[in-house]
Amino acid sequence: NAGVTQTPKFQVLKTGQSMTLQCAQDMNHEYMSWYRQDPGMGLRLIHYSVGAGITDQGEVPNGYNVSRSTTEDFPLRLLSAAPSQTSVYFCASSYRFGGGTEAFFGQGTRLTVV
Amino acid sequence: QQQVKQSPQSLIVQKGGISIINCAYENTAFDYFPWYQQFPGKGPALLIAIRPDVSEKKEGRFTISFNKSAKQFSLHIMDSQPGDSATYFCAASMRSNYGQNFVFGPGTRLSVLP
Repeated sequence: NAGVTQTPKFQVLKTGQSMTLQCAQDMNHEYMSWYRQDPGMGLRLIHYSVGAGITDQGEVPNGYNVSRSTTEDFPLRLLSAAPSQTSVYFCASSYRFGGGTEAFFGQGTRLTVV
Repeated sequence: QQQVKQSPQSLIVQKGGISIINCAYENTAFDYFPWYQQFPGKGPALLIAIRPDVSEKKEGRFTISFNKSAKQFSLHIMDSQPGDSATYFCAASMRSNYGQNFVFGPGTRLSVLP
């Protein structure tokens, strides 16, 4: 049972380069999201999706694009990397139950932009 | 109004002691308050959660105390163990038709000394 799988685990980019962070889940959850984690700031929501073909912006969406063509995959694209995007990125997949929602996080992608 | 405040930023406790982490929120529309535990190099994992219609929830050594009128909630770790050393995030969320987006506190790094 893989849960949420993120690739790559580490990446170094030069300013201006683009790349895609991959996220896949095998729990058949409709709801997926991307967060970035920076020291002293917790996790901040970048984009989220409530199902295939439906995405929306979170708190810090600038510089990032997402798409959701299947239930399983939710890639995050950096259009033109900037040093301010140096962070640890987490993908999450979640399901709603009667009392709330449980989110399952991947192991993260540590991105450095030089 | 979307912010969740968390304190302390770091906490050092002796083995067997009680660890207490406090959080506060402003938005009264939040209706679900989970705590996530994160070990180095790993993604956050749900530890325990509470809804505002109860004042306390206990699971093993972990207890959430919730004060709705004060808009505060706290995590108590009884008989703290070195294996509890991790970063703890409180969070708050609101239900929507599809799921919930979480607002996370900045995190508390707990170190339990042997």
